[in-house]
Amino acid sequence: EAGVAQSPRYKIIEKRQSVAFWCNPISGHATLYWYQQILGQGPKLLIQFQNNGVVDDSQLPKDRFSAERLKGVDSTLKIQPAKLEDSAVYLCASSWRETGELFFGEGSRLTVL
Amino acid sequence: DAKTTQPTSMDCAEGRAANLPCNHSTISGNEYVYWYRQIHSQGPQYIIHGLKNNETNEMASLIITEDRKSSTLILPHATLRDTAVYYCIVRVANNNAGNMLTFGGGTRLMVKP
Repeated sequence: EAGVAQSPRYKIIEKRQSVAFWCNPISGHATLYWYQQILGQGPKLLIQFQNNGVVDDSQLPKDRFSAERLKGVDSTLKIQPAKLEDSAVYLCASSWRETGELFFGEGSRLTVL
Repeated sequence: DAKTTQPTSMDCAEGRAANLPCNHSTISGNEYVYWYRQIHSQGPQYIIHGLKNNETNEMASLIITEDRKSSTLILPHATLRDTAVYYCIVRVANNNAGNMLTFGGGTRLMVKP
């Protein structure tokens, strides 16, 4: 079974530029999550989708971050404009609705200069 | 979800059992205990979860105290590949917000030859 796919693995941009991350969840998983992990900290939830609807985006900085999950499958997370403090690993995860067993991708490491 | 307290770091000799403690004194009756681990440069990986009874799978054993205020994850024969950050998380299994996991700082386990 294929895992959660994320791209790009690494991205370096300058502050005020924009960036987008892509995630393809495990086939059939209705729930999709984006987490932000700053170096030395645990992952922090940014947004959770159930199919193509948003369940929780309370910790998403909506002035600069946006996310969508068209057709309830793939998802993109966009940052515009980026700030230095956005340097982090962005993790995508998916799950069956009924369990707490999340499957994570390898993450996309963003460096903002 | 209830908060958890874990030691920041632990060492373990290769081939010995690694016992990772977690305190969750404010856990509610409907909250499960989940354990994840994160190997360097990878996304978190689900290990095991339980409610009241002890649980065992191919990766680890989970021992939950009778009052459910603490638990211990046991890796019976630690290998160098078990070096990782281990996260203890408590959450309601099927709350309306879905399967949101709140990660703390975790325990950094170093398995030494």
